[in-house]
Amino acid sequence: GNSVTQMEGPVTLSEEAFLTINCTYTATGYPSLFWYVQYPGEGLQLLLKATKADDKGSNKGFEATYRKETTSFHLEKGSVQVSDSAVYFCALMDSSYKLIFGSGTRLLVRP
Amino acid sequence: DSGVTQTPKHLITATGQRVTLRCSPRSGDLSVYWYQQSLDQGLQFLIQYYNGEERAKGNILERFSAQQFPDLHSELNLSSLELGDSALYFCASSAQQGQYNSPLHFGNGTRLTVT
Repeated sequence: GNSVTQMEGPVTLSEEAFLTINCTYTATGYPSLFWYVQYPGEGLQLLLKATKADDKGSNKGFEATYRKETTSFHLEKGSVQVSDSAVYFCALMDSSYKLIFGSGTRLLVRP
Repeated sequence: DSGVTQTPKHLITATGQRVTLRCSPRSGDLSVYWYQQSLDQGLQFLIQYYNGEERAKGNILERFSAQQFPDLHSELNLSSLELGDSALYFCASSAQQGQYNSPLHFGNGTRLTVT
């Protein structure tokens, strides 16, 4: 079945450091890919998305590129802030309309 | 604010009991999804409704049931509760089923504690 694999956390960085959170997927067909973020005590919020190969999603300084050849959708940010501390979820939606999430990666940014 | 409203925010109940969780989707959204988030299982898809009809089923137990009403709000019913049902239950909505790349908008969840 379809699945998403994320790097395990927590990821601890200093402010202004470069961030990469790895995400790979297994799916039939051509899924859409998403990154969601969950701040403490809140629901998940859509961060960015990409719907076809080589698309780049971007929002709030975060970027991810849909790489079909490596079945990956890694999340990157050039300079993280303390306010970016949260749990990040990679997800795919296939043609059956189910949104399948990875296990989540906790990011902690220290001042 | 995502526009998705879940009630109650917190629920504490005993084993063997039955509870109902309620979700109001964003205005105009026809699809409603239910997810369970626990520490050991992560975020698990339970069930999806589109305009009142069940469309997809995930890892939902037989003790759990859901429905979507004509006004598009949805309820998740959990019965014969066990300690392991303690989790955060999220509802999400999206605009259309036909656009499978349509993002989901999540509520803030209902935290269920079974004692």
